[in-house]
Amino acid sequence: QQQVKQSPQSLIVQKGGISIINCAYENTAFDYFPWYQQFPGKGPALLIAIRPDVSEKKEGRFTISFNKSAKQFSLHIMDSQPGDSATYFCAASLVQAGTALIFGKGTTLSVSS
Amino acid sequence: DTAVSQTPKYLVTQMGNDKSIKCEQNLGHDTMYWYKQDSKKFLKIMFSYNNKELIINETVPNRFSPKSPDKAHLNLHINSLELGDSAVYFCASSSYPGGRGSPLHFGNGTRLTVT
Repeated sequence: QQQVKQSPQSLIVQKGGISIINCAYENTAFDYFPWYQQFPGKGPALLIAIRPDVSEKKEGRFTISFNKSAKQFSLHIMDSQPGDSATYFCAASLVQAGTALIFGKGTTLSVSS
Repeated sequence: DTAVSQTPKYLVTQMGNDKSIKCEQNLGHDTMYWYKQDSKKFLKIMFSYNNKELIINETVPNRFSPKSPDKAHLNLHINSLELGDSAVYFCASSSYPGGRGSPLHFGNGTRLTVT
């Protein structure tokens, strides 16, 4: 019940296309859903995050769509660029302090020019 | 001025040895973490300290011992290293002790290779 399931494992998108990564969770007590971006040789960095009282959040070319009833959320990258090539992790956390962020298994995105 | 810094960046050692990884953050955060990233890039929490107090201790072999001398530092000591310990170890920090939507700030990792 603590898992966050992420798909696809890898994704190849043409420059200018839309990249979509999906995540699903079971625990309805999760109340914070961030996405992290990791480049080779670097640590993950927060990209965008959403809480379950909002169905969509947009920051530049990055959008999170959240479906509370389906317990699913997804990351959309519009106008994908080669510089977006990285590994993306969805994550979820519980409301109470002293609990850890739980990560999905990651999606490796390659944007071809 | 790196926010979360880890040393060393690379660590190559033989089975059975003992090694340490150091982490320091200059963000003024109260909470620090160790995550392990395996060869398939899966990130798993190992430990978390809040203001020098251990608050998360996942099912990690007791060969791994974290130590937080102050809230800006969190070190990881590993005894009797095994081949399966080979991974990238990430230190991270956050304003609040988990939950509550506090984002994690990660270091750039320490790649440990056990031969």
